[in-house]
Amino acid sequence: GENVEQHPSTLSVQEGDSAVIKCTYSDSASNYFPWYKQELGKRPQLIIDIRSNVGEKKDQRIAVTLNKTAKHFSLHITETQPEDSAVYFCAASRRDSSYKLIFGSGTRLLVRP
Amino acid sequence: GAVVSQHPSRVICKSGTSVKIECRSLDFQATTMFWYRQFPKQSLMLMATSNEGSKATYEQGVEKDKFLINHASLTLSTLTVTSAHPEDSSFYICSATGFDGYTFGSGTRLTVV
Repeated sequence: GENVEQHPSTLSVQEGDSAVIKCTYSDSASNYFPWYKQELGKRPQLIIDIRSNVGEKKDQRIAVTLNKTAKHFSLHITETQPEDSAVYFCAASRRDSSYKLIFGSGTRLLVRP
Repeated sequence: GAVVSQHPSRVICKSGTSVKIECRSLDFQATTMFWYRQFPKQSLMLMATSNEGSKATYEQGVEKDKFLINHASLTLSTLTVTSAHPEDSSFYICSATGFDGYTFGSGTRLTVV
């Protein structure tokens, strides 16, 4: 079945440094790749997404890159701040078909002041 | 924006009883509803996919007789955990498509005692 792998499981960075989280997916028909931030006991919050027709997307301090050939996508957070500390999930879907969204295992990011 | 209202937010029930969780799309028609379960410090695991008016499709390993899903209208989907046991204690969250992307409910923390 479809699978999304995510690394690392935990990431600790100093405030101001960059953080990178990487994911790979197995379903070659996937064409939509969102990233979510989840705080304890809350719903996932969409922070950025990318579709398969582009290789990179940026929104202020957050960027996502996609390599369709390698079935690999990454989240980059620059100039990290303590409030960036949370659990981040990548996901993949064939979104055009209202297809199920499969999540990666999550990365716990800690930004040290 | 699109809103999915999920109730209850927290429920404590006795072992052997049933619990119903409700997700309602407030300002759009949810053609597809996904139900996820999230254990502490783990990812969101897809349990089932339901389309309005048809039977739900369950993921491998999910007992369809235990987790009853009803999607009788384009704005309401319910998940009933039947004969709940302590191992069913988890965070349950729904996600709807039909507007733009995936809209998540606020989640239900189920504790079975």
